Amino acid sequence: NAGVTQTPKFQVLKTGQSMTLQCAQDMNHNSMYWYRQDPGMGLRLIYYSASEGTTDKGEVPNGYNVSRLNKREFSLRLESAAPSQTSVYFCASSVSRVADYEQYFGPGTRLTVT
Amino acid sequence: AQSVTQLDSQVPVFEEAPVELRCNYSSSVSVYLFWYVQYPNQGLQLLLKYLSGSTLVKGINGFEAEFNKSQTSFHLRKPSVHISDTAEYFCAVSDRSGANNLFFGTGTRLTVIP
Repeated sequence: NAGVTQTPKFQVLKTGQSMTLQCAQDMNHNSMYWYRQDPGMGLRLIYYSASEGTTDKGEVPNGYNVSRLNKREFSLRLESAAPSQTSVYFCASSVSRVADYEQYFGPGTRLTVT
Repeated sequence: AQSVTQLDSQVPVFEEAPVELRCNYSSSVSVYLFWYVQYPNQGLQLLLKYLSGSTLVKGINGFEAEFNKSQTSFHLRKPSVHISDTAEYFCAVSDRSGANNLFFGTGTRLTVIP
């Protein structure tokens, strides 16, 4: 099992450009999540998907959109990138939204917006 | 809402010495507690979790943590650290009521000195 995979690993964008971060899991998990990690701030939840076909906002959703394409895949889109979105983005998945199920994290995408 | 405070941003410690990484949380509801580890250029990996029962929780790689409800703390300990323990450690909390949204602390960078 590959677990949670993310593409790309690195990306540099100019302000105003758009891009989609891809995430896939092969653990048959129902729930998936997108976090951003900024220095001195820990990880913050951007969006989550409790199950296929549903998505909800997390703590910092502004400037992002998501798509739960199928059970395996959960993408994060930046429509018009801003320097404030420079961050490391992590995708995670879990069996369900029940709080005692462990979240499994991907390796991250390092995004720089100039 | 929940919040997590990790009091030490950096902890240097000599190899084979004991270490304690401190975590305090704030919540108006009952919570689950987690410690995650992030090795350089990798995603997060679960070290241990407290859901219920014994307040002393043992995790992987010889780490353990103790839940103290009266002090709202969940400190992580290891009696003898190894070079390979050098990493960033994150304390996280989630609401027991069902929503598997993790709230992370800002992290503690543990550096083991040979």
